[in-house]
Amino acid sequence: DIQMTQSPSSLSASVGDRVTITCRASQSIRINLNWYQQKQGKAPKLLIYAASSLQSGVPSKFSGSGSGTDFTLTISSLQPEDFATYYCQQTYSIPETFGQGTKVDIK
Amino acid sequence: QVQLVQSGAEVKKPGASVKVSCKASGYRFTSYGINWVRQAPGQGLEWMGRIITHNGYTNYAQNFQDRVTMTTDTSTSTAYMELRSLRSDDTAVYYCARDRNTLMINVHDYWGQGTLVTVSS
Repeated sequence: DIQMTQSPSSLSASVGDRVTITCRASQSIRINLNWYQQKQGKAPKLLIYAASSLQSGVPSKFSGSGSGTDFTLTISSLQPEDFATYYCQQTYSIPETFGQGTKVDIK
Repeated sequence: QVQLVQSGAEVKKPGASVKVSCKASGYRFTSYGINWVRQAPGQGLEWMGRIITHNGYTNYAQNFQDRVTMTTDTSTSTAYMELRSLRSDDTAVYYCARDRNTLMINVHDYWGQGTLVTVSS
């Protein structure tokens, strides 16, 4: 199975901060990497697919980059509604696997 | 609009089975697959498998291979996930998620609201 490792596991940030989350795959997954946001008690929501494509309806403050084994999710200016847990997911091979999550909370 | 509506919470005893449903609306059901993902309390997301709705073909994660069955009823646009021989560590919220294939990449673009399954004696 492909292991997905996110860092950091948690971070505290202020409104307006630029936030970057990284995700590393245990082997190359090309660009088969998606990012999801999950708020407490809610289902995950797709933000970015294919490493850098913005899902329809998602604000452009979210962006993704990377290929191969190293990927990043950036939130350009953190807003109150962005405090949540973020997961990366590889769909390059079965079983699909998720990172352990990065919890973003208020400093 | 695309919606996936799941069945309600379940409480089961160890060794029993549970069958969760996921009713789709707002799109052509057989044009997209359905994934099942679970999340234990306070934990991360775990992919269980996927069903291709137009032909019933399934891919299961090895962890669940012997205990899970995913099916669909295309006449009602409903997907089902049955998990057998339940253990306490199967206590989790179970999600269905639509599978979209874009740029040859699988993407879970719409999710159900989740179904809490509690396994307790």
